[in-house]
Amino acid sequence: LAKTTQPISMDSYEGQEVNITCSHNNIATNDYITWYQQFPSQGPRFIIQGYKTKVTNEVASLFIPADRKSSTLSLPRVSLSDTAVYYCLAEGRLTGGGNKLTFGTGTQLKVEL
Amino acid sequence: DADVTQTPRNRITKTGKRIMLECSQTKGHDRMYWYRQDPGLGLRLIYYSFDVKDINKGEISDGYSVSRQAQAKFSLSLESAIPNQTALYFCATRDRGRDEQFFGPGTRLTVL
Repeated sequence: LAKTTQPISMDSYEGQEVNITCSHNNIATNDYITWYQQFPSQGPRFIIQGYKTKVTNEVASLFIPADRKSSTLSLPRVSLSDTAVYYCLAEGRLTGGGNKLTFGTGTQLKVEL
Repeated sequence: DADVTQTPRNRITKTGKRIMLECSQTKGHDRMYWYRQDPGLGLRLIYYSFDVKDINKGEISDGYSVSRQAQAKFSLSLESAIPNQTALYFCATRDRGRDEQFFGPGTRLTVL
């Protein structure tokens, strides 16, 4: 399983762009990178998924370089409501079927005024 | 109403007791998952199921068993609970061919 490593915590201010990097040195060829957001007392919520280069949706962008050993979640213009734990997930298929999923330990993002 | 529900939301039990955590979904998804979350360890996959007849072990299945009673229901059992199974347990669903998993609100289990 691809092990993912993230910073334990990050601080930011409202209106700033936040970039959270995830390291996945032994990512497999068929693994995708997925990011989830989790608020206290709630289950994680899907943010974005990508395989390589750049993916953008209405809430975030995901940058994955050519070697795919890391990825960066970019949150534009954060607000107080973006204070949460962000998880990086390496997700791929096992030979013969089935999923392999490895969540990172998460990054606690704190946004202040 | 929530699409993925878990019962109970909180449970305190004693070592050696049998415990069942239940998950139900109204999303019509065929894939369901059980995770546990521990402080500092993120989420770890216990079991997953692609349909009623398909059950697969995840990263940490020892001490746990599951049952997929119907497409909409996936139960996690601890046959003989032990204190290091104290954790927050999450159920999730996903539609075939889609990226996103949908998580339930979690069950906080304490084993004394």
